[in-house]
Amino acid sequence: SAVISQKPSRDICQRGTSLTIQCQVDSQVTMMFWYRQQPGQSLTLIATANQGSEATYESGFVIDKFPISRPNLTFSTLTVSNMSPEDSSIYLCSVGWDSPLHFGNGTRLTVT
Amino acid sequence: TQLLEQSPQFLSIQEGENLTVYCNSSSVFSSLQWYRQEPGEGPVLLVTVVTGGEVKKLKRLTFQFGDARKDSSLHITAAQPGDTGLYLCAGRRDSSYKLIFGSGTRLLVRP
Repeated sequence: SAVISQKPSRDICQRGTSLTIQCQVDSQVTMMFWYRQQPGQSLTLIATANQGSEATYESGFVIDKFPISRPNLTFSTLTVSNMSPEDSSIYLCSVGWDSPLHFGNGTRLTVT
Repeated sequence: TQLLEQSPQFLSIQEGENLTVYCNSSSVFSSLQWYRQEPGEGPVLLVTVVTGGEVKKLKRLTFQFGDARKDSSLHITAAQPGDTGLYLCAGRRDSSYKLIFGSGTRLLVRP
């Protein structure tokens, strides 16, 4: 299994600002994904991070709001842009070889 | 509408009791995974089942994939406080790489 390091683990941000979340994996993985989880709730896929090309976004999520980078096979970032209190959530990075398999510990974001 | 429905949503039991969590759908899945998540951590993979009727055991946990690959169950024998957490089932459909998560079951095991 892969070891996933996600930073920051938590942050409190002001409305209108942006936060970039980093996901580092200890081995090369084919696929990296970003999920959102409301506290105590299930997971919703935001996008699939593709190396060398634009991320593939799910319905309801757009690149302007959640830009994603994936410069290589072990690293990805998710930016939450122009934040509002509705963006308060847990953001999780996931990796796998043909589908999501392992998850990071998440970034708990609170927007005030 | 949740594609994968889990029941019950919440479960509070005494240490030593047995319990079963269900994950149901009207759709067929090529594989199904079970995760446990504790507060402040990401989901941790417990098991993957891929064959209809498959049964897998992990110590006191028994996982079953329905014959038609539309449902799954997780049975815990003699629950312990360490089993407390959010249990999530997640399935893959056809050849899609996407993982569809269930609604989750929150388990509390009281000492």
